[in-house]
Order: sequence, then structure tokens, then C-alpha cells
Amino acid sequence: NAGVMQNPRHLVRRRGQEARLRCSPMKGHSHVYWYRQLPEEGLKFMVYLQKENIIDESGMPKERFSAEFPKEGPSILRIQQVVRGDSAAYFCASSPSPPREAFFGQGTRLTVV
Amino acid sequence: AQTVTQSQPEMSVQEAETVTLSCTYDTSESDYYLFWYKQPPSRQMILVIRQEAYKQQNATENRFSVNFQKAAKSFSLKISDSQLGDAAMYFCALTGRRALTFGSGTRLQVQP
Repeated sequence: NAGVMQNPRHLVRRRGQEARLRCSPMKGHSHVYWYRQLPEEGLKFMVYLQKENIIDESGMPKERFSAEFPKEGPSILRIQQVVRGDSAAYFCASSPSPPREAFFGQGTRLTVV
Repeated sequence: AQTVTQSQPEMSVQEAETVTLSCTYDTSESDYYLFWYKQPPSRQMILVIRQEAYKQQNATENRFSVNFQKAAKSFSLKISDSQLGDAAMYFCALTGRRALTFGSGTRLQVQP
């Protein structure tokens, strides 16, 4: 049973470009969470999704950020018109159902130049 | 709302000794889980131990155990016989019907 898969592991974007981060949850998991981590800081919740539904996006910036978890395929976190402040590690986690422990992917490190 | 507080930014322990990391939390839910995650330099988030709130017995996983005080909303992690590989950031986390809420972390150093 493969773990949570995130790709790419590293992503470099120029200011103003779009960044797409992908997350495939563990088999049988229908709940996906996205977190952001700045250097030397904890994980900040961004968004919680179930298949085809956004359950909680209270941690997501109102502009430029969006997330989806379609019926088929991975969850996508999209950042439009990236700025230097978007540089961070973005972690995806999945769980079979809440409240349960979440299993994390290895993260995507986004660098905006 | 859920909150998790870790008041120790850094801790240090000698190899083979025991160390306790503190965590307090707040939640309005009656059904919730508490976790400790470890983040080594590789940045992979690794689940160390979990505790269901309805269970009075403290969870134990090999050298790792918790002291869960529900009334005080306290959830500390004890690491016995510390090893060099235990050096990492440790995050306390809480989940109910919402997504995991994390504390700010404690950096554990293990001295040889």
C-alpha cells in the first residue's frame, strides 16, 4: 500500500507564474488536507477536502489559492501569480475518515524566484 | 475552535536519558484524537503515537509514551532511553471533526 504521494518534490517558479502541486492520497483514503510550512515554523492548515467537496478552507488565502479533489485523480493545490512570500514547503496528508491520524506525503518545496 | 500549545521551543537530552515534551490543547468537541508527530531533517512527518480521548489508558509505543490528562487538557510525550536518531522537531496535534491542528513544535537535541 503506497503512502501519500506528492509531486513534484521541488518546484521553482518565477514571480507571476502558476504553481500546481499534486497529491495522491493513500488507497482507501477519501479525506485530504493541505498544510504549509515556513522554515523553522509549524504546519499551518490551509484546506480540507473530501472527494469533489471542500469541507474547510478557512486557512486558505482568499486570493490566488485554490484546491480541488476530483472524483478521479489526485488532489491539486493551485497557486496563481506566485509571489516570493509563497515560497514554502507544502504538505499533503490523507486519512480514511475523521477524526483519525493523517498520513503525510514528503512535501513539495516551492521556491519563487 | 481548536488550539494546541507547545511552550518549549527547544529541549535537550543526553543519550540514554529520558525527556518529556509538553503540550496543552483546547477543543469544544467531545470526540477527538491527539497525536505526536516527529519531523527529522528530511522534513518527512512521521506519526509517533496517538491517543483517543475516550480512552483513559495512556498510549505507549516502545520507548515513547504519553501522559494524557483530559481534565487539564494536557498531553505530554515521554521519550525513554533517548537515541541520537530521536533528534528532530516534535509536533503535538489534535483532531476532531476538523483537520489536524498543530502546535508550534519543540526541537529536541540529543547529546552523545
